[in-house]
Amino acid sequence: GAVVSQHPSWVICKSGTSVKIECRSLDFQATTMFWYRQFPKQSLMLMATSNEGSKATYEQGVEKDKFLINHASLTLSTLTVTSAHPEDSSFYICSARQDRNQPQHFGDGTRLSIL
Amino acid sequence: DQQVKQNSPSLSVQEGRISILNCDYTNSMFDYFLWYKKYPAEGPTFLISISSIKDKNEDGRFTVFLNKSAKHLSLHIVPSQPGDSAVYFCAASGTGGSQGNLIFGKGTKLSVKP
Repeated sequence: GAVVSQHPSWVICKSGTSVKIECRSLDFQATTMFWYRQFPKQSLMLMATSNEGSKATYEQGVEKDKFLINHASLTLSTLTVTSAHPEDSSFYICSARQDRNQPQHFGDGTRLSIL
Repeated sequence: DQQVKQNSPSLSVQEGRISILNCDYTNSMFDYFLWYKKYPAEGPTFLISISSIKDKNEDGRFTVFLNKSAKHLSLHIVPSQPGDSAVYFCAASGTGGSQGNLIFGKGTKLSVKP
């Protein structure tokens, strides 16, 4: 149980392109989903927290207009990297949590490479 | 300023022996701690957690110990198996304004040798 699916797993695209990453909880309803970013040899850094049906809460230093998050249902959240540039190249990973008393369960991540 | 620290980037253990992974934290508001295991090209997998009202939680070969006065927790794996070779992340969550978000350490790469 507690499976989180993240798609796509790897994206290569040109600078200026917008990229959408999907995160789905397959066998549970996720009231909260989280988006993280990981740089090489660094820990996971939380970008934003989204609760179903409400606006995402972004961490300090994360541009809201750059990283658009939508959590339209209890099983799906999307992260759109708008007008991506090479410095946005990173590993993005989502997690989902059923409620506050449950652990977060992670997707397998998306490797984003902007040329 | 790192609130969750895993000071050992790597650990090598012989199969069958005990693996001890350590984690220190600085924020006394943290009240929930988790360990995740991560294989290359996969997302972290939840292993075990502990609430601050406990000092020990056991699940099969995995035991997590929490020392609140020292702000230290550890994960014991016994007996260690080659399949346990992975990166282990310690994470902490707090009440109050944190909304239960996780703060991760940088991870410790465990290698279990046959």
